Amino acid sequence: AQTVTQSQPEMSVQEAETVTLSCTYDTSESDYYLFWYKQPPSRQMILVIRQEAYKQQNATENRFSVNFQKAAKSFSLKISDSQLGDAAMYFCAYRSTTTGANSKLTFGKGITLSVRP
Amino acid sequence: GAVVSQHPSRVICKSGTSVKIECRSLDFQATTMFWYRQFPKQSLMLMATSNEGSKATYEQGVEKDKFLINHASLTLSTLTVTSAHPEDSSFYICSATITGGAFQPQHFGDGTRLSIL
Repeated sequence: AQTVTQSQPEMSVQEAETVTLSCTYDTSESDYYLFWYKQPPSRQMILVIRQEAYKQQNATENRFSVNFQKAAKSFSLKISDSQLGDAAMYFCAYRSTTTGANSKLTFGKGITLSVRP
Repeated sequence: GAVVSQHPSRVICKSGTSVKIECRSLDFQATTMFWYRQFPKQSLMLMATSNEGSKATYEQGVEKDKFLINHASLTLSTLTVTSAHPEDSSFYICSATITGGAFQPQHFGDGTRLSIL
């Protein structure tokens, strides 16, 4: 079974600064997908970014980028130019490719990010 | 973009009541939907995978007779918490995936906060 580990329960960043959220995972599969989801106080789950394991190029979405290290099974999220609206709980998630749309997400425990004005 | 509607957003009811939560995909068909439970400041815990036209697949430790899932159409899945008790109080959230494989992100409803008195 796959596992996702987010070892830092909380982090804080100054507005306009850069912060990196860590995530590691364990799997025996060679092809899979990785996601970062954001959950603000409203508790809505919002997709931040996704990465296909067979792609070496790191995904980027505006101020959000990932550092995907497949051999190390590491998938960190970098938030540049942090904004107050980035304050939320962030979840790293793994999804197998084997069962297509039926494939479930395996979530990490999450990390609470606060942004200091 | 893909929208998942979850209703109701908040339920407060007496112990022993059965509560039905609906999850609808508004602008796409979803053969598979997922139901999660989330405690405050914790991760999402998958309860079951709901498949249109067939029985749901429950995760280990989830009582299928307690949490009834029906996925009668390609756009609607329901979760019924039968004879709810205070320990069932939690945040329940559903998600659905657009047909197209595991790289398609899961789109989440806004969740239901269930409080059993």
